[in-house]
Amino acid sequence: DIQMTQSPSSLSASVGDRVTITCRASQGISNYLAWFQQRPGKAPKSLIYGASSLQSGVPSRFSGSGSGTDFTLTISSLQPEDFATYYCQQYDTYPLTFGGGTKVGIK
Amino acid sequence: EVLLLESGGGLVLPGGSLRLSCAASGFTFSSYPMNWVRQAPGKGLEWVSSIGSGGTTTYYADSVKGRFTASRDNSKNTLYLQMNSLRAEDTATYYCARAVRPSDYWGQGTLVTVSS
Repeated sequence: DIQMTQSPSSLSASVGDRVTITCRASQGISNYLAWFQQRPGKAPKSLIYGASSLQSGVPSRFSGSGSGTDFTLTISSLQPEDFATYYCQQYDTYPLTFGGGTKVGIK
Repeated sequence: EVLLLESGGGLVLPGGSLRLSCAASGFTFSSYPMNWVRQAPGKGLEWVSSIGSGGTTTYYADSVKGRFTASRDNSKNTLYLQMNSLRAEDTATYYCARAVRPSDYWGQGTLVTVSS
């Protein structure tokens, strides 16, 4: 199985900060990498697919990059509604696997 | 508007069975593969199963293989997850998701609690 490792597991930031979350795959997955946002008590929301393509309706302050084994999610200017947990997922090979999550909290 | 609505969760004894449903609307259900993903209380996301648009192709996580069965009724726009031989570690909120890029729309989830 492909292991997905996210870092950090949590971070504290202020509104307006630039935030970067990394995700590493245990083997190459090309660009079959997605990012999800989950607010407390809510269902996950798809943000990015294909490592760098924004889902429809997702604000442009979110961006993704990477290919192969190393990927990043960047929030260019953190907004109050962005405080949430973020997960990466590889969909190159079954079983599909998620990273452990990164909780973005308020500083 | 794409809507996915899960139902069928509840409290079940260890070793028991439960069938979850996911009612889809707002898109041509029969054209899309679907996923089941679960989340144990306070934990991360875990993929459970995927099913092709026609229902003949299925994939399962090792943790549920042989115990869970995904199926669909395209005439009713409904996805199912039959869960047998349930264990305490199956306690989670179960989400259905449309399997596009790779899960573009999600339901609100249904909670399954396995406990005596």
